[in-house]
Amino acid sequence: AQTVTQSQPEMSVQEAETVTLSCTYDTSESDYYLFWYKQPPSRQMILVIRQEAYKQQNATENRFSVNFQKAAKSFSLKISDSQLGDAAMYFCAYRSGWEYGNKLVFGAGTILRVKS
Amino acid sequence: DAGVIQSPRHEVTEMGQEVTLRCKPISGHNSLFWYRQTMMRGLELLIYFNNNVPIDDSGMPEDRFSAKMPNASFSTLKIQPSEPRDSAVYFCASSGTGLNEKLFFGSGTQLSVL
Repeated sequence: AQTVTQSQPEMSVQEAETVTLSCTYDTSESDYYLFWYKQPPSRQMILVIRQEAYKQQNATENRFSVNFQKAAKSFSLKISDSQLGDAAMYFCAYRSGWEYGNKLVFGAGTILRVKS
Repeated sequence: DAGVIQSPRHEVTEMGQEVTLRCKPISGHNSLFWYRQTMMRGLELLIYFNNNVPIDDSGMPEDRFSAKMPNASFSTLKIQPSEPRDSAVYFCASSGTGLNEKLFFGSGTQLSVL
């Protein structure tokens, strides 16, 4: 079974600075998808960014980018120019490229605090 | 589209009572997922349906939990009898079945069992 590990329970960043959230995963599959979700205090789960394992290029979405290291099974999220609205719980998630359906396996989450 | 709609948003009940959580997926989505979120265990997949058929219920914790999807636009998660350890946020999510389909979450139901 696949597992996702987020080793940082909490992180802090100063407004306008850059922060990197770590994620590692364990799988024997070669085809899969990785995601970062944001959960603000409103509880809503918001998709931040997604990476297909077959793509070598790292995904980017505005201030959010990933560092995908397939051999190391590492998938970190970098948030540039941090804003107060970035404060939330961030979840890393894995989805098999073979298994039927959109079933996600989540990490334990990292709480991100943004200081003004 | 209104997104995935869950009700109620909050539910407080007493131990031993039956609890029913409801979900309306996004129209056109044929996969539906129930997740549970707790501090101790994070986000766990309880069950998922495809075309109204349960595909994987291995995450359902015990027989007190049951889920149904009588049609493409409605699903329920029932706990009977409820216990304090069932207190959690329960999320419903839906998607299409293509590999590029995104998973959309509802706002969750905060369940407190006293």
